[in-house]
Parts: sequence; structure tokens; C-alpha cells
Amino acid sequence: NAGVTQTPKFRVLKTGQSMTLLCAQDMNHEYMYWYRQDPGMGLRLIHYSVGEGTTAKGEVPDGYNVSRLKKQNFLLGLESAAPSQTSVYFCASRPPGPSGNQPQHFGDGTRLSIL
Amino acid sequence: QQQVKQSPQSLIVQKGGISIINCAYENTAFDYFPWYQQFPGKGPALLIAIRPDVSEKKEGRFTISFNKSAKQFSLHIMDSQPGDSATYFCAATIGGGSARQLTFGSGTQLTVLP
Repeated sequence: NAGVTQTPKFRVLKTGQSMTLLCAQDMNHEYMYWYRQDPGMGLRLIHYSVGEGTTAKGEVPDGYNVSRLKKQNFLLGLESAAPSQTSVYFCASRPPGPSGNQPQHFGDGTRLSIL
Repeated sequence: QQQVKQSPQSLIVQKGGISIINCAYENTAFDYFPWYQQFPGKGPALLIAIRPDVSEKKEGRFTISFNKSAKQFSLHIMDSQPGDSATYFCAATIGGGSARQLTFGSGTQLTVLP
């Protein structure tokens, strides 16, 4: 049982390049999330999805796009990378539930550097 | 603007000591308060959580104290061990149904010396 798997683990881009980060979960969770983690700022929500084919904006969505074509996969795209997008990116998933307090399960992150 | 303020940024404790991390919030719509633990190179994982109608929750050596009137909550780690060395994030949950989201504090890097 792999849980949440993120690929790649590391990547260096040049300003203006594009790339896609992949998140895959094998827990059949409905909800998936993309966060970025920056020093002194904790984790900030970029986009999230409450089911296949649906996406919504989080706290810091500018410069990113997402897609959830399959329930198990959530893709984060950077169309034109900027140095401000240098960060560690985390994907998470959780099941729905009556209280909404089910814990989020996180992948191990993608460390992205934009030169 | 950080909706959940966390302190200290870093903390060094001797083995066997008590580690205390504090968080404060302003938005009274927050209704659930989890703590996540993150080891280097790994993603955060849920450690312990509390509802605002409870003043304290204890799980083993980890205790959350919650003060609703002050809008503050804290994590206490008793008998701290080197294996507890990690980054700790407090968080607060808001929203209903599928829109329910976590807002994280800025994190505290805990080092427990042997």
C-alpha cells in the first residue's frame, strides 16, 4: 500500500519553462490537495479537488493549473515557471466523512527549484 | 496574513524535558484543531487533534491544551525523546462538506538533544 506518491522528487527548471507534477493515491480517496511549503510560512493550499473532474482554487492559486481526470491522480501544472515558485510541493488526499475531520494523508513532496 | 500564528519558530530541548509549542487564531469559524508532525524528507502526518468543546486531549506523551476564550492552543510533549525531533505544524479547519480546508501555522522545528 503506497499511499500518496509524488513524482518527480526533485526538479530544476529555468524561468519560463513548464512542467507537471504528478500525484497518485491508491486509497480511493475522494478529496485531493496541492500545497506549497516555504520556510516560515507553513503549508499553503494551492488548489484542491473534491472528486474526479472537479477542481477549486485554494489560498495561492496564481501561476498554477490542476487537473483531476482520474480519481487516483491529481496533476499540478506550471505553465511558465517563475523563481517565486521555488518551493517544496506536497500533495495530500483524504476520504469524505460525516465530520469532515478525516486526516489528510501526504506524499513525501517534490522539491522544485526555478533558476 | 497568517490566520494561525505559531511560536516558537525553533525549539531545542534536552532529552526527558517538556516541549511546548503555542498557536493562536483569530477566526472563530475554525472548528477543529489538528497537529501534524513532519520528519525531514517526508510529508506531514497527523499527530493529534482536538475539538474546541474540549479543553485538553492526551495521547501518550502528547497533549493538546485548548483555550477557546483566548483563541489559543498548545502542544505539550512530555519526556521528549531524540526521535521526537521534527517539524510540528498546528492547523485549524474551516468550512463545511467538501469545502472543508486546513489552515496551517508556520511550523516549529524541534530538536531534542540526547
